[in-house]
Amino acid sequence: DAKTTQPNSMESNEEEPVHLPCNHSTISGTDYIHWYRQLPSQGPEYVIHGLTSNVNNRMASLAIAEDRKSSTLILHRATLRDAAVYYCILKTSYDKVIFGPGTSLSVIP
Amino acid sequence: DTEVTQTPKHLVMGMTNKKSLKCEQHMGHRAMYWYKQKAKKPPELMFVYSYEKLSINESVPSRFSPECPNSSLLNLHLHALQPEDSALYLCASSQEVVYSNQPQHFGDGTRLSIL
Repeated sequence: DAKTTQPNSMESNEEEPVHLPCNHSTISGTDYIHWYRQLPSQGPEYVIHGLTSNVNNRMASLAIAEDRKSSTLILHRATLRDAAVYYCILKTSYDKVIFGPGTSLSVIP
Repeated sequence: DTEVTQTPKHLVMGMTNKKSLKCEQHMGHRAMYWYKQKAKKPPELMFVYSYEKLSINESVPSRFSPECPNSSLLNLHLHALQPEDSALYLCASSQEVVYSNQPQHFGDGTRLSIL
């Protein structure tokens, strides 16, 4: 079973920030938090990952709660191309990557 | 553009046919994966190869037979499939299975239809 829970769907207006939440209350000390997204008719695409500290890259930011039981993927300015299913995944060494249902993000022009 | 290339993009086959799906990466990754994805569902792991050896088989039926001829190639041989095997088959790679901070790189998949 997936170790994370996410809302089934979210909506955002174009050019506004989007905060995608993820709960992972059973996270262990060695689990990394990974985010992927899957655009229609494409394979999943890596977005960002982190362990304890907040992380930024060209695609997004990842904010990790101090107790690590939740995290938030932040898209700073949503575009129509960001409409996708976003998956939050916990990853441990040698562990299998298990995808949960993810959050389907719709971006409204 | 994806760095993991899967061929063919689409495949239609009968239940008695034998076909193969191919996956190729040239990033020097030593871990490769096969996933199955049904419509509107998340990907489900099927097989994991580490250094060209099968390390995980998620109880996949024997009509699916994986093969890793070298570190850049991953095949999935199909034989006597059932209609419920129709799905998107995704290949992925990562530097090594052992490291949890390394992302997986996915191809765009082969869409398989069984008649």
